[in-house]
Amino acid sequence: GAVVSQHPSRVICKSGTSVKIECRSLDFQATTMFWYRQFPKQSLMLMATSNEGSKATYEQGVEKDKFLINHASLTLSTLTVTSAHPEDSSFYICSARGTSPGETQYFGPGTRLLVL
Amino acid sequence: AQSVAQPEDQVNVAEGNPLTVKCTYSVSGNPYLFWYVQYPNRGLQFLLKYITGDNLVKGSYGFEAEFNKSQTSFHLKKPSALVSDSALYFCAVRARISGNTPLVFGKGTRLSVIA
Repeated sequence: GAVVSQHPSRVICKSGTSVKIECRSLDFQATTMFWYRQFPKQSLMLMATSNEGSKATYEQGVEKDKFLINHASLTLSTLTVTSAHPEDSSFYICSARGTSPGETQYFGPGTRLLVL
Repeated sequence: AQSVAQPEDQVNVAEGNPLTVKCTYSVSGNPYLFWYVQYPNRGLQFLLKYITGDNLVKGSYGFEAEFNKSQTSFHLKKPSALVSDSALYFCAVRARISGNTPLVFGKGTRLSVIA
């Protein structure tokens, strides 16, 4: 299947700093990318959906000024957690999909964020 | 609104026995249906999907799933379980409409295969 990479895989930062997570589709053009957050032993919670060159659509309850999403090209999307706090510690997973009907949505390996 | 139900939090199976992980869905119209597997501290790996055609779909690692429209189900099955199949399994659905509709996931079922 298609490959989606995510970097970094793990990051530890101090409270108040910003953290950028990159998501890349390595072998296909991802017109749509999704960012999810997963708490321990829970399902994935969709944070936002982004199309290349457009503003992201955020789910209800997700602060767009805190979780900045940029989908600058068909192969790259970034999530920046601004002024991170300990409650932002979580497992963040990106996902990418092409345009064909029934297209499979492929997932990155995830980024574990720990805010101290 | 779309929704997915995975009624079992945990499924325990002896190695070599058949396994079933249940999934039912609710969506307007015909669905796209997916199964993913997640190993600890990893992202989701695609297993199989139903788009159209044959109701029995075969996927990776010997898994298969059967689309049952009347029962709105898409149960995941494997004839003979392996210890390495132990993981968290997610069923997901997406409506057949245009746009950027995201996948809607079930809560996940933890499969434990015992040697």
